[in-house]
Amino acid sequence: EIVLTQSPATLSLSPGERATLSCRASQFVAKYLDWYQQKPGQAPRLLIYDGSNRATGIPARFSGSGSGTDFTLTIDSLEPEDFAVYYCHQRNNWLYTFGQGTKLEIK
Amino acid sequence: EVQLVESGEALAQPGGSLRLSCAASGFTFRSYAMHWFRQAPGKGLEYVSAISYNGDSTYYPDSVKGRFTVSRDNSKNTLYLQMGSLRPEDTAVYFCARGDCSSTSCLVDFWGQGTLVTVSS
Repeated sequence: EIVLTQSPATLSLSPGERATLSCRASQFVAKYLDWYQQKPGQAPRLLIYDGSNRATGIPARFSGSGSGTDFTLTIDSLEPEDFAVYYCHQRNNWLYTFGQGTKLEIK
Repeated sequence: EVQLVESGEALAQPGGSLRLSCAASGFTFRSYAMHWFRQAPGKGLEYVSAISYNGDSTYYPDSVKGRFTVSRDNSKNTLYLQMGSLRPEDTAVYFCARGDCSSTSCLVDFWGQGTLVTVSS
């Protein structure tokens, strides 16, 4: 099983600041790493797929980078609605796993 | 508009069984793989099962293998999850989700709102 380790567990920032979230895979996942945003009581929403592609309707302040085992999600100029939990997710064949999540909270 | 609607909340006893349904609309259901994921209260996301577009192939992690069975009825645009030998640790919100597959991987792009399953005596 591929283990995804996200850091930090919690990130405290203010609106307007930049957020940098990391995800490290225990094995090579090529480009097959996605990022989801989840707000309380809601389903996860796809933000970034294949490491760096924004999903339909996702604002340009969200960007992803990385390949292989190390990936980063960057959110430029945080908006109030961006404070949520973010999960990375790998889809190597049909053996999906998720990171434990990074909670982005308002400072 | 893509819509995935899971069946209502459910309560089951340890060792019991339950069947979840997920009604799909707004896309060509028979062309997509489908998945189940779950999230225990206050915890992260966990993969539960996947099924190919035509139902010929199914996939499970070890945590549910042999206890859960995924199936689909493409004539009814509906996905199912038959859950057996239930344990308290199966208590979670269960999400169905669509998979857009290439030759090498499936992107999970839309999720339902989820349905709560509680396993308790």
